Amino acid sequence: QQQVKQSPQSLIVQKGGISIINCAYENTAFDYFPWYQQFPGKGPALLIAIRPDVSEKKEGRFTISFNKSAKQFSLHIMDSQPGDSATYFCAASSLTQGGSEKLVFGKGTKLTVNP
Amino acid sequence: ETGVTQTPRHLVMGMTNKKSLKCEQHLGHNAMYWYKQSAKKPLELMFVYNFKEQTENNSVPSRFSPECPNSSHLFLHLHTLQPEDSALYLCASSQPGGAGEKLFFGSGTQLSVL
Repeated sequence: QQQVKQSPQSLIVQKGGISIINCAYENTAFDYFPWYQQFPGKGPALLIAIRPDVSEKKEGRFTISFNKSAKQFSLHIMDSQPGDSATYFCAASSLTQGGSEKLVFGKGTKLTVNP
Repeated sequence: ETGVTQTPRHLVMGMTNKKSLKCEQHLGHNAMYWYKQSAKKPLELMFVYNFKEQTENNSVPSRFSPECPNSSHLFLHLHTLQPEDSALYLCASSQPGGAGEKLFFGSGTQLSVL
């Protein structure tokens, strides 16, 4: 059972365009929704995150839109740059019994920004 | 050196070999994680350690054996693996205290099982 569904699997955008990646979740116990960015040969790194008490969070060119009733959230990259070319993972989090983070990831979206 | 360091970066092993993956974090965190990353599949949580105690085992086969001797070091011992175990194995750390803690990942060990 895939708890976080991510689409599209791959995305090609022209420089300056808007990149949009969508995710949907099922478990209403999730209370934290991060996006991770992964470059080839590197581990994922936290890009931006949102909690379900807000509908939007913006950090520079990156914006998360969150729809709690639809159990969906999306990442928007404005003015996409070739340096944004990477794989993006959405995730949803709840706490383990031990009190640590338990992240469930989507399958990832490979973004290519053409110059 | 800062961050999360994993060694080796690449590993090729036969199905009868025994090998170990090492992870070290220099961030002062108390939670450490092993994730498996396979092509076209979500990152899969394998194990979680809090203050050296295992708090999560995500139904991982016993051919994978984790060890956490202290809060800075995490090992994954491998034996009699299968070709389908070939993947990128990622270590991560965080400071537990509530949902929303940032995970810091290492660069991973790319494992190939022949």
